[in-house]
Amino acid sequence: RKEVEQDPGPFNVPEGATVAFNCTYSNSASQSFFWYRQDCRKEPKLLMSVYSSGNEDGRFTAQLNRASQYISLLIRDSKLSDSATYLCVVTRAGNNRLAFGKGNQVVVIP
Amino acid sequence: GAGVSQSPRYKVAKRGQDVALRCDPISGHVSLFWYQQALGQGPEFLTYFQNEAQLDKSGLPSDRFFAERPEGSVSTLKIQRTQQEDSAVYLCASSSDRGYEQYFGPGTRLTVT
Repeated sequence: RKEVEQDPGPFNVPEGATVAFNCTYSNSASQSFFWYRQDCRKEPKLLMSVYSSGNEDGRFTAQLNRASQYISLLIRDSKLSDSATYLCVVTRAGNNRLAFGKGNQVVVIP
Repeated sequence: GAGVSQSPRYKVAKRGQDVALRCDPISGHVSLFWYQQALGQGPEFLTYFQNEAQLDKSGLPSDRFFAERPEGSVSTLKIQRTQQEDSAVYLCASSSDRGYEQYFGPGTRLTVT
């Protein structure tokens, strides 16, 4: 079983709509959680960290549920420029390596 | 400022050839990581350096893969006797000793024919 599972989609979203997706992680010792964004044929870039209390960054909201071992990302008022693959990432305590999910592909349609 | 750079950006190798991929991390970054990203997949961890010390190489898929960072700065990932299944994008990332954010380079797209 992969350490991080994501439904790859694609998620076709009308411009201005809200889209939400999540991922699950298998290792209960996972300590840090992130969402990375990857544009087509580009490198991943950190979008936001995910905290237990939930956090927001503009139109993006991330949530962590440790009991159920899942992480969610919500994008409000989708823009065409939000089209990308969103990668769910976890790390373990004392370990710097990033464990990536397959990514959720989001396509925002005009 | 300058980010992580990688060279070459594209490499085509015939099966059985050896290749060397280079990574220049952000200046002063202590930690350096290599990841492999196959088409349609997320990146998979290969190996990790702290300065010149290779602290984790558990992700290297076979003994044909070898990485080094002899002076604690530039790193080279070498793949011997390449196979078709080695075709992927090889990403390098670096991070500072205090922060955890890993900054990725643009990757090297390796195609083995």
